[in-house]
Amino acid sequence: DTGVSQDPRHKITKRGQNVTFRCDPISEHNRLYWYRQTLGQGPEFLTYFQNEAQLEKSRLLSDRFSAERPKGSFSTLEIQRTEQGDSAMYLCASSMGGAQNEQFFGPGTRLTVL
Amino acid sequence: AQTVTQSQPEMSVQEAETVTLSCTYDTSENNYYLFWYKQPPSRQMILVIRQEAYKQQNATENRFSVNFQKAAKSFSLKISDSQLGDTAMYFCAFMKHADSSYKLIFGSGTRLLVRP
Repeated sequence: DTGVSQDPRHKITKRGQNVTFRCDPISEHNRLYWYRQTLGQGPEFLTYFQNEAQLEKSRLLSDRFSAERPKGSFSTLEIQRTEQGDSAMYLCASSMGGAQNEQFFGPGTRLTVL
Repeated sequence: AQTVTQSQPEMSVQEAETVTLSCTYDTSENNYYLFWYKQPPSRQMILVIRQEAYKQQNATENRFSVNFQKAAKSFSLKISDSQLGDTAMYFCAFMKHADSSYKLIFGSGTRLLVRP
């Protein structure tokens, strides 16, 4: 297995457009996380899935954001009606269940909203 | 709410020297985990070292070690024999054991430059 992958790596869009990002976790990992990282800051938690169930969402995740993980495999994060403030790096991570298990991060999708 | 503070935005160290990165955190929890993650330029974040709060012994991974002071809520990272490949952003992170999501709460990071 080659680790967590994310697609696309970079996305430039105009304000008001919708964008969708994909994350493919490590295959045996049942937990999947989305974080957002703005310039000069550490990642901030957005949401997480255990298998296909979305169990927690941060208040950072406005109603313009939606995430899915059909069949407990890959996940998508969609942002509707993008705003300039959505410009950030969107990181995906996966892990096996249990606090002691390491979260493995993907390379991220860098979103620029013009 | 838990917070993680990294007060050193940038650090610089000569190759082969030792450097210490600082991290403090605020929590009312007794059981938690602390982490240091490394994010090299344009590369993905990787775990450097992990500490369980119930363990008094400081964690060590090769050239990386921590100084965990639970009462002071301090968790510093020491890098010995610094190498050019250690140049990266370093993030301190907290995880509450009682939080079933096991989400990570990160500090703002310290940019480390290793000079040849």
